[in-house]
Amino acid sequence: DTEVTQTPKHLVMGMTNKKSLKCEQHMGHRAMYWYKQKAKKPPELMFVYSYEKLSINESVPSRFSPECPNSSLLNLHLHALQPEDSALYLCASSHPGQGKSKTQYFGPGTRLLVL
Amino acid sequence: AQTVTQSQPEMSVQEAETVTLSCTYDTSESDYYLFWYKQPPSRQMILVIRQEAYKQQNATENRFSVNFQKAAKSFSLKISDSQLGDAAMYFCAYRSGSSNTGKLIFGQGTTLQVKP
Repeated sequence: DTEVTQTPKHLVMGMTNKKSLKCEQHMGHRAMYWYKQKAKKPPELMFVYSYEKLSINESVPSRFSPECPNSSLLNLHLHALQPEDSALYLCASSHPGQGKSKTQYFGPGTRLLVL
Repeated sequence: AQTVTQSQPEMSVQEAETVTLSCTYDTSESDYYLFWYKQPPSRQMILVIRQEAYKQQNATENRFSVNFQKAAKSFSLKISDSQLGDAAMYFCAYRSGSSNTGKLIFGQGTTLQVKP
């Protein structure tokens, strides 16, 4: 099973709202990732968690706040977003460490629209 | 720093024909992994095929195969017997073998159209 699930599928929020994106995997992966993707562009890495600890923050604005409550769950808390933050947000997971088993598997994404 | 280049923004192929998508990369490392991901209009990113740099044999997965030329730093994807369901955006990606974070470096993508 290589399934990564994400909720919600679609989200519309105002610039003053607070919302959260959720990602879940049950493959025993201990590395999880958040990406932002604009239309017809490659995904841009935002955050990496390894063994539930934040290991990479790609200089993401503080209005995005990641959280990894346990090895299966990854959240992205959103607050005071800007219209330019509208995008597809992808979650991925993999085994940490080296080797081909660290292949990343992606979820279907959350389509976010900020008004 | 490593870079990945996909020089074909768009490609088209007739159903049942064969098409090759190009990817080149730049790295000074000897240990790395290369991937092709497919993203159909439904937007789910799906792993198509992966290649370990230390393996000389080209990876194959059913109708998908790669031509891995390590010296030339080239990693092209060949799709045989193209099907309508192959229509998607294809991303080539690189991962360092020494990375503990698994960070992927993506190319800009190639949109593949399959004509019936």
